[in-house]
Amino acid sequence: DTAVSQTPKYLVTQMGNDKSIKCEQNLGHDTMYWYKQDSKKFLKIMFSYNNKELIINETVPNRFSPKSPDKAHLNLHINSLELGDSAVYFCASSQRPGFRGTYEQYFGPGTRLTVT
Amino acid sequence: GDSVTQMEGPVTLSEEAFLTINCTYTATGYPSLFWYVQYPGEGLQLLLKATKADDKGSNKGFEATYRKETTSFHLEKGSVQVSDSAVYFCALSVGSSASKIIFGSGTRLSIRP
Repeated sequence: DTAVSQTPKYLVTQMGNDKSIKCEQNLGHDTMYWYKQDSKKFLKIMFSYNNKELIINETVPNRFSPKSPDKAHLNLHINSLELGDSAVYFCASSQRPGFRGTYEQYFGPGTRLTVT
Repeated sequence: GDSVTQMEGPVTLSEEAFLTINCTYTATGYPSLFWYVQYPGEGLQLLLKATKADDKGSNKGFEATYRKETTSFHLEKGSVQVSDSAVYFCALSVGSSASKIIFGSGTRLSIRP
């Protein structure tokens, strides 16, 4: 059983194109996230949704727009792709954070985006 | 702000060697601390966690103790295996309505047979 799945696994596209990455979780979690991992493996949060509501929006270009049709899905749409967008994008999910944040996040396998 | 600092890699060891990967943190409040592992071509998996001072997290022979006095959460394993080769991330979260995990920069570990 796949807990957090992402499609596609690989995405190669040209500058200026618009693309989407889909994420689904079957864990019954309320909260979902998008992370970007650069070539040096540095991992940075981009967005977080709780029950379809945006709760974290880090400093990300507005070319990136997350969409959560329901609490099991969080898709990432990217407009006007740039070379610097090339990275691995990870989706994750968790239970709704508690008082001490004692939750763990479950990650998808990642989508490797290459912009040429 | 909240941050995590971990030792730079790569770390290369021989099989059965003792492993330590250092991690220190800066946080307001009372963070929970985590170690995640990323095997080649895969997403991150939670390896272990600790939620309060002096807690010890352990899994698969790995251990880490939450040390509030030194703000550290060092990862240790007594005898590493080739299958432990991966990138290890130290991370923290501070509870709030908008909780997020802050990751360290990752440490690549390679184990020689």
